[in-house]
Order: sequence, then C-alpha cells, then structure tokens
Amino acid sequence: DVKVTQSSRYLVKRTGEKVFLECVQDMDHENMFWYRQDPGLGLRLIYFSYDVKMKEKGDIPEGYSVSREKKERFSLILESASTNQTSMYLCASRDRVYEQYFGPGTRLTVT
Amino acid sequence: KNEVEQSPQNLTAQEGEFITINCSYSVGISALHWLQQHPGGGIVSLFMLSSGKKKHGRLIATINIQEKHSSLHITASHPRDSAVYICAVRWSGNQFYFGTGTSLTVIP
Repeated sequence: DVKVTQSSRYLVKRTGEKVFLECVQDMDHENMFWYRQDPGLGLRLIYFSYDVKMKEKGDIPEGYSVSREKKERFSLILESASTNQTSMYLCASRDRVYEQYFGPGTRLTVT
Repeated sequence: KNEVEQSPQNLTAQEGEFITINCSYSVGISALHWLQQHPGGGIVSLFMLSSGKKKHGRLIATINIQEKHSSLHITASHPRDSAVYICAVRWSGNQFYFGTGTSLTVIP
C-alpha cells in the first residue's frame, strides 16, 4: 500500500512564525502536491513538484514556498504565517496513471 | 475558467436508500476522479474514469463525456458511507481541479 505521511496532524503557530509542513511518500512517485482545503472552496493547489528540486506554482502560491531535496520528501514552508493561512493542508503523491494518494492532513491554526 | 460543480452540497438519507451525487465540468477532460473524505481528513480515491462506468461493491460511477457530467451512486446505503464525496477532474497536464464536495449523512 502507498503511504503518504505528514509530520503533524494538528499545529498551532503564532502570526509571523516560520512554519514547516513535511510530507513523505514511500512509493517512489515523481509527482507530489500540496493543497489547502477550506470550507466551501474545496481543495486548492498551492505547489506541486514533478521531480527532485523541480517545482511549479499552483493556483494559490502566495505566502508559501516548497522544497524537494529528496524524491520521497516534499516540504511546504510558510515564511511568515498569517491568520488567513489557518486551514487544512493536504499532501498528495501521484503515480504514473494519475492516481492520487493523500496524506492524513495537517490542521494548522495561526493565532 | 475551468469549473467543477457538485450537487447536492449536503445530503441526508435513511439507511438502505439509493444515493446519487452529481458532478458537472465546463470543458473536456482527460479523466475524472471520485474521492471520499471521512471526518478527520484522510482522502481516499474511489474511482478514476475517462469513459463509461465503473463498479466497486455498492458504489457505481458513471461519466457522460458529451454532457460533461458524472454521477456517483451508492446502493443500499449504510451509516459507514457517511463522508464527504469529492469530484476532481484533470484536463491536461499535472493539475487536478476539485469540486467543493457533497457531505453525505446516512441515518440508521
């Protein structure tokens, strides 16, 4: 079974803090994604990566950056957290036939 | 603008009822996915469709490419089917676009 794990299920940070969300997959997938999920808006793509050190902006990249130094690990970074970044963050990886596998999610609260 | 619309937003059913959730999209697609999200957040993929119909247990997914519409059916619904069901489409390239989800509650 494909496993996608995320570093935290719940996280509380203060405004202005730098926040790191980590995602690890164990199936050697090249493609990995970071989404945020907000009520009434569905999942929206922040960034994706199609290979080590390669990244593409999604629909809402402002205020976020990403890092992919190893194939299995994709990190989302909030350089200076703000209250409007309070959300559920979901990581996913994708196989060659476009099946997506999601992590359990991190519920981030910025106070 | 690429759009994915789901209906209904919320659905309450009695155990045993036949359930239909709908998804419409605005332009031609490469594939459509149905996903299930249980309370607590985890999302699992139920189906990936590019044409026709697929069945897995009590779940059936259909797609009509000409009408740009897909349906997810649940036969003999059960309280454990209570979840949010999400439609996602892929046009071309790597990106998926998601509907806002249908929250299903099945009452015993």
